[in-house]
Amino acid sequence: AQKITQTQPGMFVQEKEAVTLDCTYDTSDPSYGLFWYKQPSSGEMIFLIYQGSYDQQNATEGRYSLNFQKARKSANLVISASQLGDSAMYFCAMSVYNQGGKLIFGQGTELSVKP
Amino acid sequence: ETGVTQSPTHLIKTRGQQVTLRCSSQSGHNTVSWYQQALGQGPQFIFQYYREEENGRGNFPPRFSGLQFPNYSSELNVNALELDDSALYLCASSSGIANTGELFFGEGSRLTVL
Repeated sequence: AQKITQTQPGMFVQEKEAVTLDCTYDTSDPSYGLFWYKQPSSGEMIFLIYQGSYDQQNATEGRYSLNFQKARKSANLVISASQLGDSAMYFCAMSVYNQGGKLIFGQGTELSVKP
Repeated sequence: ETGVTQSPTHLIKTRGQQVTLRCSSQSGHNTVSWYQQALGQGPQFIFQYYREEENGRGNFPPRFSGLQFPNYSSELNVNALELDDSALYLCASSSGIANTGELFFGEGSRLTVL
């Protein structure tokens, strides 16, 4: 069965510093995608970054990068130069391609950025 | 602005009642998925609709049902509400079912069952 594990319920980071949010996944299917979403208190899930299982390079989107280690089945999110507006819940998710568009989410990590 | 809109944003129902939640997908998207997010949890997949047909369902009982219309908007219906149905219901739209990229979510409908 597919599963996403986020082991950090909460994280603190100083403004302007970098932070890494951990995510491990479990699937036996070779074709999958990994996602990170940000959820502020308003509730909307905001897409941050995507990594396909066959992508050779780590994905980057502005201040966000995904540290993809396939052999370890990890897909950690790195946020550089944290901003106060980065304070939110962060969810890692996986989609297995032969199972359509279903996303499997982890439990989330609450990030708090301190001034 | 993602273009996915959901209504109502908040609602309160009592046990045993029925509820309908609505979702307008982003322009050009033909696929809509629904997720339930209980407090403090990650979202759980309910089902997906692709071109008006159900295309995959999660571990939810039959009292959770849905529809997709020709304009690709969608409804989620829940009958015989239970206290545990209290949650944020999220709608997401995409172009196609493979989900190899960005999936656009709405802000959700927060349902409270008393």
